[in-house]
Amino acid sequence: DGGITQSPKYLFRKEGQNVTLSCEQNLNHDAMYWYRQDPGQGLRLIYYSQIVNDFQKGDIAEGYSVSREKKESFPLTVTSAQKNPTAFYLCASSITTGTGFNQPQHFGDGTRLSIL
Amino acid sequence: QKEVEQNSGPLSVPEGAIASLNCTYSDRGSQSFFWYRQYSGKSPELIMFIYSNGDKEDGRFTAQLNKASQYVSLLIRDSQPSDSATYLCAFTGGGNKLTFGTGTQLKVEL
Repeated sequence: DGGITQSPKYLFRKEGQNVTLSCEQNLNHDAMYWYRQDPGQGLRLIYYSQIVNDFQKGDIAEGYSVSREKKESFPLTVTSAQKNPTAFYLCASSITTGTGFNQPQHFGDGTRLSIL
Repeated sequence: QKEVEQNSGPLSVPEGAIASLNCTYSDRGSQSFFWYRQYSGKSPELIMFIYSNGDKEDGRFTAQLNKASQYVSLLIRDSQPSDSATYLCAFTGGGNKLTFGTGTQLKVEL
């Protein structure tokens, strides 16, 4: 089945440690996104990529890094510089169009990150 | 002014009633509007999207868009307990970046 796979489902980070969250999609979507969700809040955009080997910062990129070496994969690294990493991390993907109208984004099941 | 305003709720409706969820946005250039449903502890799932002024119906769901008033709503007819969730509205003003509201919690009571 086509979809977006995020792993792991739960992740614990120690002080000073970098951790990487995986996101893989087999929908043949060009665009991929990373969001962070804190309790009672909406989704905030961390990074997004519209094409392989290119990505842009979102609204809260500090303390995070990404790569887009393959169309199917968009891993997110939470670095030790991110002092408050505890959150629900969501990866999404979408078709890109040349019109002014945007195709819907579809989400993976998410990764819950906590500090040990 | 926040970019997207949603009443956090909870909005309680009896089973079988119509639930009306509302969202206002500040960016007049917004062109694409989306409604997502999020169950507790789960990721958002797409319910509806709408681009043009007016109504768009899909089963029990109707999205309504009024660009002049910068207002988008979601109506759920014949509400079921399984509709109890948080509903997020989102919009794009250009490019592929979505701006999300904080969501409205809906409770459908037996």
